[in-house]
Amino acid sequence: QLQLQESGPGLVKPSETLSLTCTVSGGSISSSTFYWGWIRQPPGKGLEWIGNVYHSGSAYYTPSLKSRGSISVDTSKNQFSLKLTSVTAADTAVYYCARRQPTGEMDYWGQGTLVTVSS
Amino acid sequence: SYDLTQPLSVSVALGQTARITCGGNSIGSKNVHWYQQKAGQAPVLVIYRDNNRPSGIPERFSGSNSGNTATLTISGAQAGDEADYYCQVRDATTVLFLFGGGTKLTVL
Repeated sequence: QLQLQESGPGLVKPSETLSLTCTVSGGSISSSTFYWGWIRQPPGKGLEWIGNVYHSGSAYYTPSLKSRGSISVDTSKNQFSLKLTSVTAADTAVYYCARRQPTGEMDYWGQGTLVTVSS
Repeated sequence: SYDLTQPLSVSVALGQTARITCGGNSIGSKNVHWYQQKAGQAPVLVIYRDNNRPSGIPERFSGSNSGNTATLTISGAQAGDEADYYCQVRDATTVLFLFGGGTKLTVL
């Protein structure tokens, strides 16, 4: 059974960089079929897609991040990571990692990790 | 930009049929996926590509998609179906993935 687990600091200071890692177990991130992505959910609000990465490293993002986000992949560790620079309180959210099928659905999700941006 | 519109809330009597809509311009031409999110938990895929159920999802969950509206139908709603439900599509023009605002389902 595929499992995804997010990890990273739960507290980040304003203007600093948020860094999260998603570790995939029970399957290979190097599969040519799937994409891997990040989704976030501010407290009490809806889901927002952040971006996706392919095992080759090719990635794309929601334009609302205004180039602050980057997603990378480490196939040797079966992990992919999110970096979000110049964070503000508006970036406070539960961050989920997920596997995406070529047809767009996200079929496996991590449990999520809360990141709070505060001084 | 492409927008998805969901009602904020839907209520259904125990054992009756709940229908949650997701509106978007020509959404019938897109693949629509639906997620269930219970309080404090990660989303779970309940319908993919309009009307397909992943393994383990009860048959009472079904979907349809035509014109400008996609619909998630829960037949014989149970107390355990109380959750937020989100629709999701891929905007082929921008290659972005979009979620609807979510609908809170209450089972009375």
